[in-house]
Amino acid sequence: GESVGLHLPTLSVQEGDNSIINCAYSNSASDYFIWYKQESGKGPQFIIDIRSNMDKRQGQRVTVLLNKTVKHLSLQIAATQPGDSAVYFCAETFSGGGADGLTFGKGTHLIIQP
Amino acid sequence: DTAVSQTPKYLVTQMGNDKSIKCEQNLGHDTMYWYKQDSKKFLKIMFSYNNKELIINETVPNRFSPKSPDKAHLNLHINSLELGDSAVYFCASSQEWRGGEQYFGPGTRLTVT
Repeated sequence: GESVGLHLPTLSVQEGDNSIINCAYSNSASDYFIWYKQESGKGPQFIIDIRSNMDKRQGQRVTVLLNKTVKHLSLQIAATQPGDSAVYFCAETFSGGGADGLTFGKGTHLIIQP
Repeated sequence: DTAVSQTPKYLVTQMGNDKSIKCEQNLGHDTMYWYKQDSKKFLKIMFSYNNKELIINETVPNRFSPKSPDKAHLNLHINSLELGDSAVYFCASSQEWRGGEQYFGPGTRLTVT
């Protein structure tokens, strides 16, 4: 099976609320994690990344949290907007070799309610 | 300017045919990839390639082969197409060989009839 998975396939939130998308990974050797956003008919678009020597990283309206103890990754989106509606994927890789390319989770479809 | 581009965007073909999908990146990256996204949106790595090494996902049939005429291009050739090959194929590139951000192309939707 996949080494990265998501808890919820669909997440519906009200516009303006904060969203939290969760991801569990099973490969403890993974040391680099990325969140991607994929809009309908487009390729995945980079949102934010984090390396295993960190447990939190902030971007513009987004924050990624990494808990290596329980192998959990989350993406927080502040004040969600209609343009945030998309499928969000977490992805992992081991920069030292072995698993090549990114291993993606199944994706969470974020729906923003007006 | 488009960073990673793919052609064609849509490809409809019959079983048994041979087809190619082209990918070009203008980012100056050394590494390129091909991914397959199935009908359930699951993305899976097929190939990782730079000028020194090709890594093939062991689950990829040998009917699929990447070909790189130069550093900016990584084309995907598919022989004897099967119904199960229908999917969206994404090309991506990154500056680093491993552990770096990957930039994705817009995808090619392949339909095999």
